[in-house]
Amino acid sequence: KQEVTQIPAALSVPEGENLVLNCSFTDSAIYNLQWFRQDPGKGLTSLLLIQSSQREQTSGRLNASLDKSSGRSTLYIAASQPGDSATYLCAVRIFGNEKLTFGTGTRLTIIP
Amino acid sequence: SQTIHQWPATLVQPVGSPLSLECTVEGTSNPNLYWYRQAAGRGLQLLFYSVGIGQISSEVPQNLSASRPQDRQFILSSKKLLLSDSGFYLCAWTLAGANVLTFGAGSRLTVL
Repeated sequence: KQEVTQIPAALSVPEGENLVLNCSFTDSAIYNLQWFRQDPGKGLTSLLLIQSSQREQTSGRLNASLDKSSGRSTLYIAASQPGDSATYLCAVRIFGNEKLTFGTGTRLTIIP
Repeated sequence: SQTIHQWPATLVQPVGSPLSLECTVEGTSNPNLYWYRQAAGRGLQLLFYSVGIGQISSEVPQNLSASRPQDRQFILSSKKLLLSDSGFYLCAWTLAGANVLTFGAGSRLTVL
């Protein structure tokens, strides 16, 4: 059974700093990994999708990496802004399965 | 472009009352459809998913049920709500394969 872990559960950093969010998964036979953002009381917004054959994906100030052999993915946020404050979740899909397994998320607070 | 609609946005129901949450997707055909629940302070729990009309897979035994009467319509129901059914319910869709999972805005259910 795939298990996805995100540590820490909460993180506070001053505005302008670069930061890294972590995601670990137990079954390395993944099809893809997706990072989401969730604002309080809202649905999830997809940020980046990494296919199993890829090592990283970039969108603006966001960069997501994938290391299947170690069962890890990181989301790098450059030059953080208060608007980046949200909960960030990663989700993994394994081969032959249409389901995604989610981590419990990291609640990020950017301090102005 | 594809859009996903979910309603109602908020719902307050007494224990023992029925429930119906509806989700529709526009702009695509034969999507995979998902119902997730997010309880306070917890991660996303997959409740049901469907890869086609009339095809429903249940992930967690409970007093909830799902139906897919049309290709792009997914309904979450209960005959008698429990206090533990309170939470944030999210509908999502994707196309089979390595595609982005897109979420609706969510429905917040409070059972009193």
